[in-house]
Amino acid sequence: DARVTQTPRHKVTEMGQEVTMRCQPILGHNTVFWYRQTMMQGLELLAYFRNRAPLDDSGMPKDRFSAEMPDATLATLKIQPSEPRDSAVYFCASGPLNVRSGGPSYNEQFFGPGTRLTVL
Amino acid sequence: GENVEQHPSTLSVQEGDSAVIKCTYSDSASNYFPWYKQELGKGPQLIIDIRSNVGEKKDQRIAVTLNKTAKHFSLHITETQPEDSAVYFCAALSFDRSGGYNKLIFGAGTRLAVHP
Repeated sequence: DARVTQTPRHKVTEMGQEVTMRCQPILGHNTVFWYRQTMMQGLELLAYFRNRAPLDDSGMPKDRFSAEMPDATLATLKIQPSEPRDSAVYFCASGPLNVRSGGPSYNEQFFGPGTRLTVL
Repeated sequence: GENVEQHPSTLSVQEGDSAVIKCTYSDSASNYFPWYKQELGKGPQLIIDIRSNVGEKKDQRIAVTLNKTAKHFSLHITETQPEDSAVYFCAALSFDRSGGYNKLIFGAGTRLAVHP
């Protein structure tokens, strides 16, 4: 049963500390997404990778957030320094890039269980 | 860019009744519309999707309808059960012209409660 895995599932840290969240996409998927979920903002797209290359990170505060894919089996989201307003659930999602010849492309996305981050 | 609106924000039904959640989108070029179910403490799970070349799709007790002219799509759950209680999200695939790629734009979610 292929699924996206994320670690840690929960993280409590103090303001100013560095936080690293990890994601293992489903084997064979070549698109990876990072989302942040809060009650106020819903699901916000933070970053989007295709074939390990970042295509869009406009949703991330650049001064403190960074996202990377060191290899096809690992995506990381780092916050340094963390702030209380970063408290949220962070989801990673992966998907196959389906491109039909001459037709539109679709982006099915499969979500991981999330990392619940609390910054005190 | 694409904007997706979802209604209602909360929905309460009795077990066995039907539930309908509606979404509208703004980008007429959108061609893929998935629905996600999120249970407490879990990530959103894809439950059904529809592509713009069909008007309706069914999978057991759930169905999705799409009206491209009116730019709206709906999720229908029949014979609801307590385990259907969750937050449901609709989404629309939108082409980001500046980046040259597709991305999903999500609705704000509907909290469905099914009472025994």
